[in-house]
Amino acid sequence: GNSVTQMEGPVTLSEEAFLTINCTYTATGYPSLFWYVQYPGEGLQLLLKATKADDKGSNKGFEATYRKETTSFHLEKGSVQVSDSAVYFCALASGNTPLVFGKGTRLSVIA
Amino acid sequence: EADIYQTPRYLVIGTGKKITLECSQTMGHDKMYWYQQDPGMELHLIHYSYGVNSTEKGDLSSESTVSRIRTEHFPLTLESARPSHTSQYLCASSDPSRTNNYGYTFGSGTRLTVV
Repeated sequence: GNSVTQMEGPVTLSEEAFLTINCTYTATGYPSLFWYVQYPGEGLQLLLKATKADDKGSNKGFEATYRKETTSFHLEKGSVQVSDSAVYFCALASGNTPLVFGKGTRLSVIA
Repeated sequence: EADIYQTPRYLVIGTGKKITLECSQTMGHDKMYWYQQDPGMELHLIHYSYGVNSTEKGDLSSESTVSRIRTEHFPLTLESARPSHTSQYLCASSDPSRTNNYGYTFGSGTRLTVV
């Protein structure tokens, strides 16, 4: 079946550091890939997405590229801010089944 | 701006009480979902629905039940709450023709504490 594996946290970075959160997937066919963000006390919000190989999703300075050859969708940001502290979820959509989510990675950015 | 609403946001109740968590969406989405989120953050799908009068159990066994009598409304009920039900409950919805392109829209969640 389909699955998503993302790096375990927590990840703690200083402000303006470079961020990478790894995400790899297993799926049949051609899934769509998503990154969601969950701020404290809130639900999940869609951060970015990519629907086919080599697509790059981007939003709020975050980027992720759909790499079919490595089955990966790593999240990156060049310079994190304290306000980026949140939990990040990688997710996969394929066919008519519910989305498959990774276990989440908690990011803490300190000033 | 939230188009999917969960009430209450916070709830503390005693063991054995019956409770219903409300979820409503104004987007006309056919697909709706309930997730239980544990303190370790992982999301567990407990129920989903692909339309009126359609409900399915998710990956995590749950003692809760759901109903889908109207497209916009997907309430979750616990007949007899226990401390093990203490968790965050998240509701989500999606348009079946757009899920693979746009994913889900989530509500803000209900944080339930059973004492």
